[in-house]
Amino acid sequence: DIQMTQSPSSVSASVGDRVTITCRASQDISNRLAWYQQKPGKAPKLLMYVASSLQSGVPSRFSGSGSGTDFALTISSLQPEDFATYYCQHTNGFPLTFGAGTKVEIK
Amino acid sequence: EVQLLETGGGLVQPGGSLRLSCAVSGFPFNSYPMTWVREAPGRGLEWVSTIGSGGDDTTHYVDSVKGRFTISRDNPKNTLYLQMNSLRAEDTAVYYCAKYYGPGRRWFDSWGQGTLVTVSS
Repeated sequence: DIQMTQSPSSVSASVGDRVTITCRASQDISNRLAWYQQKPGKAPKLLMYVASSLQSGVPSRFSGSGSGTDFALTISSLQPEDFATYYCQHTNGFPLTFGAGTKVEIK
Repeated sequence: EVQLLETGGGLVQPGGSLRLSCAVSGFPFNSYPMTWVREAPGRGLEWVSTIGSGGDDTTHYVDSVKGRFTISRDNPKNTLYLQMNSLRAEDTAVYYCAKYYGPGRRWFDSWGQGTLVTVSS
């Protein structure tokens, strides 16, 4: 099974900060990676797919990069509504697995 | 507008059974693979099961539920199901149904609000 390792597990940041979250796969998954945002008590929301494609309706301050085993999600200028937990998920076959999540908190 | 609504969660004793339903609207249900994902208290997201579409009802499960859970779909009723048997405490979670972006595209672009399953005596 492919293991997904996210870091950091949490980050404290201020509005306007640039924030980068990383995700490492235990084997080469090419660009088969998605990113989600989840707020407390809510369902996850798709942000990015195939590593760097922005889902419709998602603000352009979100960007994704990487291929192979190392990936990143960057928020270029953190907004109040971006404080949430972020998950990566590989899409490279079954079983599908998620990273453990990165909580973005207010500094 | 795409909508997914899960029902059927609740409190069940260890060893018991529960069937979750997910009623969908706003897209051609029979054309999209569907999935269940769960979130245990204080833990992250875990993919549980997927079922294919377009007549290919191939199913996949995470190892921890194989032989206990069964995913199915009723296309005329636009409804996805998860039959859960031999439930364990570690199955306690919010269960979400979600829609695939497309056949073979194993990321999820629409989610329900979730239904809570609590396994406890």
